[in-house]
Amino acid sequence: DQQVKQNSPSLSVQEGRISILNCDYTNSMFDYFLWYKKYPAEGPTFLISISSIKDKNEDGRFTVFLNKSAKHLSLHIVPSQPGDSAVYFCAARISNFGNEKLTFGTGTRLTIIP
Amino acid sequence: DAGVTQSPTHLIKTRGQHVTLRCSPISGHKSVSWYQQVLGQGPQFIFQYYEKEERGRGNFPDRFSARQFPNYSSELNVNALLLGDSALYLCASKTRDSSYEQYFGPGTRLTVT
Repeated sequence: DQQVKQNSPSLSVQEGRISILNCDYTNSMFDYFLWYKKYPAEGPTFLISISSIKDKNEDGRFTVFLNKSAKHLSLHIVPSQPGDSAVYFCAARISNFGNEKLTFGTGTRLTIIP
Repeated sequence: DAGVTQSPTHLIKTRGQHVTLRCSPISGHKSVSWYQQVLGQGPQFIFQYYEKEERGRGNFPDRFSARQFPNYSSELNVNALLLGDSALYLCASKTRDSSYEQYFGPGTRLTVT
């Protein structure tokens, strides 16, 4: 039961252009959505998050959009830089009476072409 | 400040053996979570501990257990290892129970032969 899905295993984007990474979810009880970036041989690094009551959150070059009716979120990176090449994971949090867990998607490998 | 540290970095075990993985959270972080990442997949939640109490458990068999110590470090134990337990085991810490932002360690790569 894959509650968080990233349907694009890989994405290549020209340096300076916009990168758009997509994520779909099925569970309406998720209260926070997060994006993590992972380089080889390192743990995931937190990038940006959005509450389920918001539809947009921006942090520098990174913007996350949430469409609750479509159960879809996306991460926009503008402009894309070579250092952005990494695997990006979408994650969703569910919190229930002090118990909480993050559910991750399978990741999208982003390659920025110089 | 040091980030989340995990030991060992790599480990090779034989089927049926037992393994203990260790995690030290960022100083001041009282919550520790464990994740299993199989090649080609996203991290799968195993456990969350806060103030030495278990606060969440994922869909893993009872062969998996964990504990948190008074200094907030944590151990993940796996008994009767199977080939399918081969994975990267990630530890993450955060500041308080309700905070959503977790900081991950580099992981322990476990290979079961």
